[in-house]
Amino acid sequence: TQLLEQSPQFLSIQEGENLTVYCNSSSVFSSLQWYRQEPGEGPVLLVTVVTGGEVKKLKRLTFQFGDARKDSSLHITAAQPGDTGLYLCAGDPSNTGKLIFGQGTTLQVKP
Amino acid sequence: DAGVTQSPTHLIKTRGQQVTLRCSPKSGHDTVSWYQQALGQGPQFIFQYYEEEERQRGNFPDRFSGHQFPNYSSELNVNALLLGDSALYLCASSLLFHISGKNIQYFGAGTRLSVL
Repeated sequence: TQLLEQSPQFLSIQEGENLTVYCNSSSVFSSLQWYRQEPGEGPVLLVTVVTGGEVKKLKRLTFQFGDARKDSSLHITAAQPGDTGLYLCAGDPSNTGKLIFGQGTTLQVKP
Repeated sequence: DAGVTQSPTHLIKTRGQQVTLRCSPKSGHDTVSWYQQALGQGPQFIFQYYEEEERQRGNFPDRFSGHQFPNYSSELNVNALLLGDSALYLCASSLLFHISGKNIQYFGAGTRLSVL
């Protein structure tokens, strides 16, 4: 059973479209992190959300942490080909330093 | 400031062989975690090292072992390789969680292991 469920698993869109990626769990997390990974590279941290209901913006990316701290979403406005990659949510459910990852969302943005 | 570095970048082995992967953490970090990532999937936690000791372990068999050196660098060893061990192995470094109060991990580019 996946502790963190991401949806959709695959997304192929045209440049300029908007999209939302979801990360859901039945467990409460003290924080959730979002990473982006490009082929041949390791995951790069985009943001950490900590407070229930928190919204963080990073240029065209908007991250939200659910009020109950069990879910999070990533919204990209006017997607660009450079946004292509694997988007991963991750959390530390036991607060011991062991990160649990979702299965990832592969995003392809076509020019 | 050098980030997390891993070596080698690619490795090809045959079933039954043994492999050692290496990781140097980001400057100032004292904790190293190892992850296995299958193609198109999220990373799976293998284990974490702090003060040269394994502090946590994921659901991986004893064929997977590790070591941390006094300079905080780390090695991942896999014995009796299986075809299913083919994956990207990622190293992440951080400051010990209970001291920093956060679990911000910085990842290396990984070692791509192919078992034939």
